[in-house]
Amino acid sequence: EAGVTQFPSHSVIEKGQTVTLRCDPISGHDNLYWYRRVMGKEIKFLLHFVKESKQDESGMPNNRFLAERTGGTYSTLKVQPAELEDSGVYFCASSQTTSGKNIQYFGAGTRLSVL
Amino acid sequence: RKEVEQDPGPFNVPEGATVAFNCTYSNSASQSFFWYRQDCRKEPKLLMSVYSSGNEDGRFTAQLNRASQYISLLIRDSKLSDSATYLCVVNGWYNNNDMRFGAGTRLTVKP
Repeated sequence: EAGVTQFPSHSVIEKGQTVTLRCDPISGHDNLYWYRRVMGKEIKFLLHFVKESKQDESGMPNNRFLAERTGGTYSTLKVQPAELEDSGVYFCASSQTTSGKNIQYFGAGTRLSVL
Repeated sequence: RKEVEQDPGPFNVPEGATVAFNCTYSNSASQSFFWYRQDCRKEPKLLMSVYSSGNEDGRFTAQLNRASQYISLLIRDSKLSDSATYLCVVNGWYNNNDMRFGAGTRLTVKP
């Protein structure tokens, strides 16, 4: 069974440009999460989808970030325009809540470098 | 105070050593607790869930003390392949899907 896949694995862009990250969750997982890790800091929650609906986007830093999950399958996270402080590793995770436990499985991440 | 606090290390231990990691969390309402392992430039992978009664999986033992809001991970008979960053993760901060991460503890096991 395929795990969570993310594309691209690495993106280098200039300040002011737009970047779109993609995440394909594990098939059948209704929950999809985006996280970010900036250098030297802990992984931080950005937002959570249940199927195609945004359940919680309290972690989104500002309105330059837009996440979508059309059809409740894969998700995209767009940063427009990118700023230097957006550099970091963006992780996607998915889960299917069973018996009250929510075990999240992570993708390998997209390393974003804004120059 | 950080939401989830871990000793960043690094811990450098010889093969065969026993090493323990500690973690504290600030929200007493948290529901679920996990240890994840992350290798360099890889995704975090679930190592084990942590249950109130404590649980063991081979060489790994996890303990939870809700009263002290403290979680631990013990690794016995360390292997070279145990070298990684260990993340303490607390779920249920405000809801069942709200995960909070520690910054991780770096472990290097040397021959």
